[in-house]
Amino acid sequence: DGGITQSPKYLFRKEGQNVTLSCEQNLNHDAMYWYRQDPGQGLRLIYYSQIVNDFQKGDIAEGYSVSREKKESFPLTVTSAQKNPTAFYLCASSIVSSPDTQYFGPGTRLTVL
Amino acid sequence: QKEVEQDPGPLSVPEGAIVSLNCTYSNSAFQYFMWYRQYSRKGPELLMYTYSSGNKEDGRFTAQVDKSSKYISLFIRDSQPSDSATYLCAMSYDNTDKLIFGTGTRLQVFP
Repeated sequence: DGGITQSPKYLFRKEGQNVTLSCEQNLNHDAMYWYRQDPGQGLRLIYYSQIVNDFQKGDIAEGYSVSREKKESFPLTVTSAQKNPTAFYLCASSIVSSPDTQYFGPGTRLTVL
Repeated sequence: QKEVEQDPGPLSVPEGAIVSLNCTYSNSAFQYFMWYRQYSRKGPELLMYTYSSGNKEDGRFTAQVDKSSKYISLFIRDSQPSDSATYLCAMSYDNTDKLIFGTGTRLQVFP
């Protein structure tokens, strides 16, 4: 059963803490993406990666970091430098030749207390 | 001005109605146009994909692109309560990783 999994579904963080959101895919996709979704703002691209050990900043990378050590995994760390981290975070993947056809995971809702 | 504009709704219609969802955009370089459906607290799922202008039909769904007007539409025929969701339009340039999303329109279909 192929797909994208994200964990945890809900995450609570105290101010000043770093947290890491997990994203795993078994679709054999080379490209993976992280988006942030806020009410009234649509999806905004945080980071993306087309190949293992390489990634690029999206539109709102400040306060976030990623790694891509394995093809299947693309974890996102929300650092204490991110001023407004409370949001719904979505991971997606695609084949490199069709970046416009992205498949999304179920999302992680992060709340900063 | 945002690159992609989408009315947030909510749009409330009775079961069986024809629904029209729309997006306008400002950049004529967009070539690929997508519609995603997102149920509450879930990830978006790709519903329709269109390249350049024209219509594409898939069951009860029709996607329409009018590049001269910079306007795309998604029509849902015989709408069902299970169609109640937020519909996001997205578009991209040629050979790019970046999708530009609209803010989404929330649709409610009542029995």
